Amino acid sequence: QQKVQQSPESLSVPEGGMASLNCTSSDRNFQYFWWYRQHSGEGPKALMSIFSDGDKKEGRFTAHLNKASLHVSLHIRDSQPSDSALYFCAASETGYQNFYFGKGTSLTVIP
Amino acid sequence: GPKVLQIPSHQIIDMGQMVTLNCDPVSNHLYFYWYKQILGQQMEFLVNFYNGKVMEKSKLFKDQFSVERPDGSYFTLKIQPTALEDSAVYFCASRGTANTGQLYFGEGSKLTVL
Repeated sequence: QQKVQQSPESLSVPEGGMASLNCTSSDRNFQYFWWYRQHSGEGPKALMSIFSDGDKKEGRFTAHLNKASLHVSLHIRDSQPSDSALYFCAASETGYQNFYFGKGTSLTVIP
Repeated sequence: GPKVLQIPSHQIIDMGQMVTLNCDPVSNHLYFYWYKQILGQQMEFLVNFYNGKVMEKSKLFKDQFSVERPDGSYFTLKIQPTALEDSAVYFCASRGTANTGQLYFGEGSKLTVL
């Protein structure tokens, strides 16, 4: 069973719009969540982490975590064409162990 | 920022041959990982490695796979013998000791098994 599920599989937003990506976990032991972004032909790069309930904002990116529902989201405001990429949610129990990745959301920002 | 270097970037081999993928992790990192990605889709965990030992491995880490980091040199993934289904992009990642655990990924090694 997939431990980390992401939705939607793909998403298109106009330039300047808001993109919302979702991630849910089936494992209540997961405490550490990361969002990674992968541009075509490159390795994933960490965007931001979230470990506590609530919102965390970094520039145009806001992550939200609800541990009770095991739900994590990423919101990108004022989306830019350079934000077009594959976005992964990754979760870990302790931060020292394996990070389980979701299948990813492919984001396309239309100029 | 910190960089992970992977060599080679692309390798084509015949089924049954051996292949070694090399990873030069971030210099002060102690935890190392290999992930497999097919067709630009899901990142599938293979193995993680710390202090000279495999800490955790997935079902994808078949008996034909092995990892090592002899004397602080490259962290390597060896596949012997290779199979057609091993064709994929393999990503190495490393991270430091903090349990906040950001992974730093290389650019990947694309393996094509014919």
